[in-house]
Formats: sequence, structure tokens, C-alpha cells
Amino acid sequence: GAVVSQHPSWVICKSGTSVKIECRSLDFQATTMFWYRQFPKQSLMLMATSNEGSKATYEQGVEKDKFLINHASLTLSTLTVTSAHPEDSSFYICSAKFPSPFSGRAQETQYFGPGTRLLVL
Amino acid sequence: GQNIDQPTEMTATEGAIVQINCTYQTSGFNGLFWYQQHAGEAPTFLSYNVLDGLEEKGRFSSFLSRSKGYSYLLLKELQMKDSASYLCAAMDSNYQLIWGAGTKLIIKP
Repeated sequence: GAVVSQHPSWVICKSGTSVKIECRSLDFQATTMFWYRQFPKQSLMLMATSNEGSKATYEQGVEKDKFLINHASLTLSTLTVTSAHPEDSSFYICSAKFPSPFSGRAQETQYFGPGTRLLVL
Repeated sequence: GQNIDQPTEMTATEGAIVQINCTYQTSGFNGLFWYQQHAGEAPTFLSYNVLDGLEEKGRFSSFLSRSKGYSYLLLKELQMKDSASYLCAAMDSNYQLIWGAGTKLIIKP
């Protein structure tokens, strides 16, 4: 099946620093990627929808200036957590969407990356 | 508004059968997805239903009733490795996934 990778898988940083997380679709072009955050024992929370070549659409309550998203190519989206604080510690997961939900693998319209665990000290 | 409801937690015994229900309300409908998520890992795809009825895939089956806005995931011959959260997600008219909060399934020996 299609593969989505994330890098890094683990990051520990000091409060106030910025952290960049990369999400790549390895064998397909993803016009749309999604960024989720998941706190322990809670469900996925959609942070933003990233469309290639345009500005990301952020969910209510998510700060655009704090969580910078760049989707510069059809296979790469990046999430930068700026001036990270301990409350930003979480599991960040990206997913990539097939261009059309009815092209071949209709059943798997979103492929998830393995996630990035961020710990801010 | 759009909404997905599923139980927060369920407990079942190894070797038994469990049914996880999901009801949805979305603006338009383009299918119902079930994902499995083990603790500390990203979700993995289990099933997709867009037509009414039962789809069977090994020990897992998924059912959909569009008229009732209802789906269930049926897990048979439960194994300890099935302990995980099961996420229900409905696709709306814009092809966006609306996620449920997930059902934590605990399997006891």
C-alpha cells in the first residue's frame, strides 16, 4: 500500500525552540495532507489541512503563527512548531490523501504517517 | 452540525466476539471508515463501507445502514493483540473525514 513517512519520529527540545516535522508521501502525489495532534488517551484532533501550493486551512483554536505549515511540493508537507512550550508536547501525526477518493484505493483515502512524538522540556 | 458518536470504552474476553457501534451525522455522505490505533502508534485502515450491508474481511466485519446513519465494526475470535482504540470516521460531501473520539477496546484473558 501507499506509504507516508514522518521525520523525526522522536524529538526532545528545550522550551522556546522551534521544531520542524516533515511528512512525505513516498509513492504517490498527495495534493492534500492533514496534520493531527493527539494527547495521551485522547482521540485525534485535526489541526490543519494542507493543500499543495496554497495556504493551509487551520481548525478553530489552532494558532496559525505557532504551527507553521508548508506544502511546497506534492510529496512533502512540513509542520513547524515555533517557540515550543511544554504544553505543546504531544503526538503529531500527518496523513496524506489520494487526489481522488475513487481512484483505485478508494478504501484508503487517508494514509497516515507513523507519527512524531514531541517532548518539550 | 456534523457529529460522530461511538462508545468510549468496551471490554471483551479473548476468543469472544465484540461489536463496536458508531452513529454519524454529516453534511452529505461518501463513506464510513474504521481505523485501528494501538497505543503510541498512528491509525491503520481497517474497512470502508459506502453501500448498505456487511463487508467481511477475515476476523473483522463492518456494517453500514445509510438510512439510519449507523455502522458497526464486528471483531470475531478476539485476540489480545486486538486491544486498541477503534476510530470511526465518516466522509462528508467535501470528501473530508469527520472523526469519532474512538472506542478503547480492552481484551481480557
